[in-house]
Amino acid sequence: KNEVEQSPQNLTAQEGEFITINCSYSVGISALHWLQQHPGGGIVSLFMLSSGKKKHGRLIATINIQEKHSSLHITASHPRDSAVYICAASHYGGSQGNLIFGKGTKLSVKP
Amino acid sequence: NAGVMQNPRHLVRRRGQEARLRCSPMKGHSHVYWYRQLPEEGLKFMVYLQKENIIDESGMPKERFSAEFPKEGPSILRIQQVVRGDSAAYFCASSHNSGYSYNEQFFGPGTRLTVL
Repeated sequence: KNEVEQSPQNLTAQEGEFITINCSYSVGISALHWLQQHPGGGIVSLFMLSSGKKKHGRLIATINIQEKHSSLHITASHPRDSAVYICAASHYGGSQGNLIFGKGTKLSVKP
Repeated sequence: NAGVMQNPRHLVRRRGQEARLRCSPMKGHSHVYWYRQLPEEGLKFMVYLQKENIIDESGMPKERFSAEFPKEGPSILRIQQVVRGDSAAYFCASSHNSGYSYNEQFFGPGTRLTVL
């Protein structure tokens, strides 16, 4: 079992739909990262959080430390949101670079 | 302010050759991280460096791979005697040192290495 699990693996949505991507982890963490990998391969850091909730535009990330679970929500989805979304954990006690990555959720938003 | 830069973007090597991948961090960033993404697999941590120091190399293969981040110039990931299994996308990220334990990382575009 991977230390960081994401679901679903693949997700297809219609434009305008509300989207949720889930991330569960089994290790103690210091921080949880959400990344976006574009079809061309480039990676963008969306959020880094260790508690509560963060919002940026149409994106919202939440984390529940007790349940070891984080969610990424996209409101009013758009085809340009199509990408692979990756959850990564900074292992507690590990170096800040030593991220443990989920396998990613491939999102496709249809017009 | 330019982002993280990596070059080359694509690199083709024959088995047994050496591959050198370069990463220039964002201006003001003193921490560099290297990650590898094998085909159809997730990202994996390789090494974390600060200027002139290797902080964590627990993800680096024990042989053929080395990394450095000199006082001047880019960080270099070096792969000696490449094999087909080294074909992957190699991403570099950088962060500044804010004094907190964990800082947001900014990723480069990656170098796609193909070993023939």
